Amino acid sequence: SQQGEEDPQALSIQEGENATMNCSYKTSINNLQWYRQNSGRGLVHLILIRSNEREKHSGRLRVTLDTSKKSSSLLITASRAADTASYFCATTQTGANNLFFGTGTRLTVIP
Amino acid sequence: DTAVSQTPKYLVTQMGNDKSIKCEQNLGHDTMYWYKQDSKKFLKIMFSYNNKELIINETVPNRFSPKSPDKAHLNLHINSLELGDSAVYFCASSQDRGTTGRNYGYTFGSGTRLTVV
Repeated sequence: SQQGEEDPQALSIQEGENATMNCSYKTSINNLQWYRQNSGRGLVHLILIRSNEREKHSGRLRVTLDTSKKSSSLLITASRAADTASYFCATTQTGANNLFFGTGTRLTVIP
Repeated sequence: DTAVSQTPKYLVTQMGNDKSIKCEQNLGHDTMYWYKQDSKKFLKIMFSYNNKELIINETVPNRFSPKSPDKAHLNLHINSLELGDSAVYFCASSQDRGTTGRNYGYTFGSGTRLTVV
């Protein structure tokens, strides 16, 4: 299966804390992306990191990529209740074009 | 304006029926996709399509067929619906499908929840 794995499956934190989610994948990639899905809604693209990049920032989001370990992490700093959602990593493989999603992390931020 | 819109949002139908889900994007993107999200939230690609090529995930039953009247539309037609087809179906689009690979994120529709009874 090309599907990645995310860890943890569920995470519950207090508002203001940082949240870290990890993603592992199996094949060589062109890029890795993170998406958020609010309950009952579609997926929203958060950030994309290319295979030749190691770290990327966007607002309160920080993404790292370690291609030698085939893993990525998403850090959300100073979390807010509105960050409560499921977060998915997704990869595009070298030479291919489709996105393959991980299993997702359900984040709950308690006010 | 909604970038990727799907209709209907909810669809309840009986086994054996044929149904279609419509998808339209107003982003001018080159490629459109259909994904299936099951009850465990796993997202699996079903099809990707641009005006030159249709790529079908080999695990998708041939009861499912994409139909694209033009670049901005990719509808999903399902024949002889089965209980196991119950899921949320997402349409998505992206800008580029170059041979260098993806460098853009996908834009997703809000999903169609299909329930087969």
